[in-house]
Amino acid sequence: RKEVEQDPGPFNVPEGATVAFNCTYSNSASQSFFWYRQDCRKEPKLLMSVYSSGNEDGRFTAQLNRASQYISLLIRDSKLSDSATYLCVVNMATDSWGKFQFGAGTQVVVTP
Amino acid sequence: GAVVSQHPSRVICKSGTSVKIECRSLDFQATTMFWYRQFPKKSLMLMATSNEGSKATYEQGVEKDKFLINHASLTLSTLTVTSAHPEDSSFYICSAPWRGEQFFGPGTRLTVL
Repeated sequence: RKEVEQDPGPFNVPEGATVAFNCTYSNSASQSFFWYRQDCRKEPKLLMSVYSSGNEDGRFTAQLNRASQYISLLIRDSKLSDSATYLCVVNMATDSWGKFQFGAGTQVVVTP
Repeated sequence: GAVVSQHPSRVICKSGTSVKIECRSLDFQATTMFWYRQFPKKSLMLMATSNEGSKATYEQGVEKDKFLINHASLTLSTLTVTSAHPEDSSFYICSAPWRGEQFFGPGTRLTVL
């Protein structure tokens, strides 16, 4: 079983619609959780951290469910520019900050 | 935010040659840096943790003699792919943590002919 699993998609989303997807992680001792965005042939860029109480940043909402060991990302009012691969990232190491495990990514395609 | 650079951004080499990739933290110091590899349509895979002033820590299945890592200063880590083969062709990305966030370099696309 992979440490971090995501539905690869693609999620084809009409412009203006809402899309949501999850990511499950296997290690219950995982420390920190993030959503990164990666455009084709580019490096990942931090979209948002995921806090225990859930957090929102504009049109993006992230949730953490420790009991079921998953995090989620919801995008409201999708824009064409939201088309990208969204990477679920988990910091599993307790002794080495920054040692991240990446999910394979969920591809989102926003269509006009 | 902090900036991490990589050089070169793209390299094409012949099979059997060695290629050095540099990762620099431009405006902060990084005692630890990370090297990843990403194959097309696959996730980033952590290869190794680069530690300033000490040996790198390699992930399981990564050959340390093939992927030499040197963290010579607080702002520079290098990855040398020795005796490169076509199967080493990939996108190599480094990252460095700073103030609770991970910053990635722009990546190096290696093509081994």
